[in-house]
Amino acid sequence: GAGVSQSPSNKVTEKGKDVELRCDPISGHTALYWYRQRLGQGLEFLIYFQGNSAPDKSGLPSDRFSAERTGESVSTLTIQRTQQEDSAVYLCASSLRLAGGPPVYNEQFFGPGTRLTVL
Amino acid sequence: EDQVTQSPEALRLQEGESSSLNCSYTVSGLRGLFWYRQDPGKGPEFLFTLYSAGEEKEKERLKATLTKKESFLHITAPKPEDSATYLCAVAPFQGGSEKLVFGKGTKLTVNP
Repeated sequence: GAGVSQSPSNKVTEKGKDVELRCDPISGHTALYWYRQRLGQGLEFLIYFQGNSAPDKSGLPSDRFSAERTGESVSTLTIQRTQQEDSAVYLCASSLRLAGGPPVYNEQFFGPGTRLTVL
Repeated sequence: EDQVTQSPEALRLQEGESSSLNCSYTVSGLRGLFWYRQDPGKGPEFLFTLYSAGEEKEKERLKATLTKKESFLHITAPKPEDSATYLCAVAPFQGGSEKLVFGKGTKLTVNP
């Protein structure tokens, strides 16, 4: 079946512009995650959505970053007034996280990422 | 603060030369430890989940083990197609958060 898809694959923008990154999770996956991967660094958690619960926004680095998710479907990550330090690969992942299920951590399936370059 | 450190940063092996990658971690409480493989220009691909010290899992030439402070990814008789960056991540106990904390990865190159 189809995996996680992300668009665009590459985005070049000028400092100060707003950008929107899109993620289409695997159909039926209730949980969705955004991560950032800077060159030479590990993946950094940004935000987590699970069903209708309030999202975990604890990883968002500043109020310029926001994300939305429509039900258990598409998610968009918006970065306002982009800065050069925002340049990174933004990765989306989804998993089948069953609320109230057994205390196992379900596998996260990652998309190919969006490479953002801020000039 | 939850932290994951992977070593070495890079490793070059000859085909057939077995070795191990290390992942040491400090967390408030461990829900699970994960190994991923990442090829250039692609997202991470899941390999293993380990939940408790002493647990081991195998997949083809890869074997992951877990202790209370670290995990090892053993690669037996590697082939060039095993070349990739291997990522280690932990899921800490943090209220309702489901985030993973990743290390920087070990870039493995297997020469024919």
